[in-house]
Amino acid sequence: EVQLVESGGGLVQPGGSLRLSCAASGFTFSDHYMDWVRQAPGKGLEWVGRTRNKANSYTTEYAASVKGRFSISRDDSKNSLYLQMNSLKTEDTAVYYCARVEATNGYSFGSWGQGTLVTVSS
Amino acid sequence: DIQMTQSPSSLSASVGDRVTITCRASQGIRNDLGWYQQKPGKAPRRLIYVASSLQSGVPSRFSGSGSGTEFTLTISSLQPEDFATYYCLQHHSYPLTFGGGTKVEIK
Repeated sequence: EVQLVESGGGLVQPGGSLRLSCAASGFTFSDHYMDWVRQAPGKGLEWVGRTRNKANSYTTEYAASVKGRFSISRDDSKNSLYLQMNSLKTEDTAVYYCARVEATNGYSFGSWGQGTLVTVSS
Repeated sequence: DIQMTQSPSSLSASVGDRVTITCRASQGIRNDLGWYQQKPGKAPRRLIYVASSLQSGVPSRFSGSGSGTEFTLTISSLQPEDFATYYCLQHHSYPLTFGGGTKVEIK
């Protein structure tokens, strides 16, 4: 069974940093692109960014709203995905989900974690 | 960036009703679109991928259609467990973009 479990959320002051983790199991993590998606309280879904797999040189893509402040990385040996968030703003407050990208299904998100809440507030 | 305009933003319907939700892309995205269902406090769940392929385990009352710029999610006979918010997502080009969501409520 595919499982994605996020952790690392919490309360942080504006301008601060936080690192989220996503632990994956039940599939060959190293084969897949992995994404982060967020959802501000009471709002819709927003794509944050992507890391491709080793075969595609672990290259990354980001939404304009986080580019230069957030960084996505992965450790295939630990089946883990990370989101390093720096220079946090109040508008970054959201539930952050990791999602598995399925190239065989049109690069859609076949599996999601349960989410971890990040609150940016003084 | 590709804008995804989803309509309606909300609707009220009764059990057994046929429901149609539309997403319009600001430029052509072939069939690079998925539909997701989200219930309160839960992660989204994929219903449809590549515009019209039904995710395994999803009831056949859900269907997707469209290509290019116009896409539709149809629920043929609304069931109590279908009351939720639905999102489209284009993955044709970066940045990936979601529609604004459609909240389906009980009439």
